[in-house]
Amino acid sequence: DSGVTQTPKHLITATGQRVTLRCSPRSGDLSVYWYQQSLDQGLQFLIQYYNGEERAKGNILERFSAQQFPDLHSELNLSSLELGDSALYFCASSVSDSTDTQYFGPGTRLTVL
Amino acid sequence: AQSVTQPDIHITVSEGASLELRCNYSYGATPYLFWYVQSPGQGLQLLLKYFSGDTLVQGIKGFEAEFKRSQSSFNLRKPSVHWSDAAEYFCAVATYRNTDKLIFGTGTRLQVFP
Repeated sequence: DSGVTQTPKHLITATGQRVTLRCSPRSGDLSVYWYQQSLDQGLQFLIQYYNGEERAKGNILERFSAQQFPDLHSELNLSSLELGDSALYFCASSVSDSTDTQYFGPGTRLTVL
Repeated sequence: AQSVTQPDIHITVSEGASLELRCNYSYGATPYLFWYVQSPGQGLQLLLKYFSGDTLVQGIKGFEAEFKRSQSSFNLRKPSVHWSDAAEYFCAVATYRNTDKLIFGTGTRLQVFP
């Protein structure tokens, strides 16, 4: 158990809908990262927050957004969902924003029908 | 741009045999290197990491990896594989220049036969 929690574990929804994935980092960690794992794209970095502020962006679609709240938990919002958004979404956390090990949560499996 | 290559998509070994999973990276300076393991339906677990110092690093579950700058490689090894090692293994690199995002390889699926 990495100490990173993600909810829900599974999510099934329809195209065009909007969903919110939630992540609670390990106690004491200030950085949260979101990754997407899909069959065709592999594991890709989406976005990073550090202590409430966006720190880095990767291959994140405009339909996706994220935020980190004062209690350091983070939410990833996915809107206007398409079939291709079906994937496993991982959250990871680390203590600081540089030179640190990232610990991964169990992931949220999103299925878009 | 940084990249990671794992040339072997799928490897099959017998239980008790030795294992080496290959990882090559592309980056102009010394990167920070990681190996993660993902069991079916599970998240990613860190096996080991290299930041600096001794180029042979020890990890959990009896794994080790060696950083070879001249070959831009960070291969993962285990002297004797157990059936519970069957999983997908990911090599990752971080550069910590502008961001500490992880760049992952495509993964190597390990199958272990009894």
